[in-house]
Amino acid sequence: DGGITQSPKYLFRKEGQNVTLSCEQNLNHDAMYWYRQDPGQGLRLIYYSQIVNDFQKGDIAEGYSVSREKKESFPLTVTSAQKNPTAFYLCASSTTGASGYTFGSGTRLTVV
Amino acid sequence: AQSVTQLDSQVPVFEEAPVELRCNYSSSVSVYLFWYVQYPNQGLQLLLKYLSGSTLVKGINGFEAEFNKSQTSFHLRKPSVHISDTAEYFCAVRRNYGQNFVFGPGTRLSVLP
Repeated sequence: DGGITQSPKYLFRKEGQNVTLSCEQNLNHDAMYWYRQDPGQGLRLIYYSQIVNDFQKGDIAEGYSVSREKKESFPLTVTSAQKNPTAFYLCASSTTGASGYTFGSGTRLTVV
Repeated sequence: AQSVTQLDSQVPVFEEAPVELRCNYSSSVSVYLFWYVQYPNQGLQLLLKYLSGSTLVKGINGFEAEFNKSQTSFHLRKPSVHISDTAEYFCAVRRNYGQNFVFGPGTRLSVLP
């Protein structure tokens, strides 16, 4: 079945370390997105990519980086510059038409 | 710019009672409207969407929503809720092709026995 796979589901890192979250889709969707979710704050857009080898900053891109070398993959790196990285991270993909987003099951990152 | 308002951050309701979760949006152009549900520690799942046509849209799990253009609203309803409906619900809007979604802040529905 087609879908989006995020891994790992839980991730623990020490403060000051970079960490990369994986997102892979086999839906043949052109666009992919990364959201951050904190309690009571809904979803905030970090980065998005409409096409391979191109991506755009979202509302809260500082301290994060992405790459889009393949259509299927859109990894997110949380760098040491991100001041408060502990959160639930969601990856999504979509076509460029009127369809909705398809979401992954999320990665919960805890920095200690 | 678009924005989405979900006035109720939390909605407690007893099992088998009806529920309405409110969503209002602001946009100067036509939009597509969506409701998503999120269970604890999971991603978001599409409940239903309005693209065009009939203003009453039926979705999964017995939910429905009505698009009201004059009031710029897209409220979600269910006539009889179940314990398993306890989750967070997000309203979202999207302009035409290729535009990103704008999500509301979410409403936490708690169904009580």
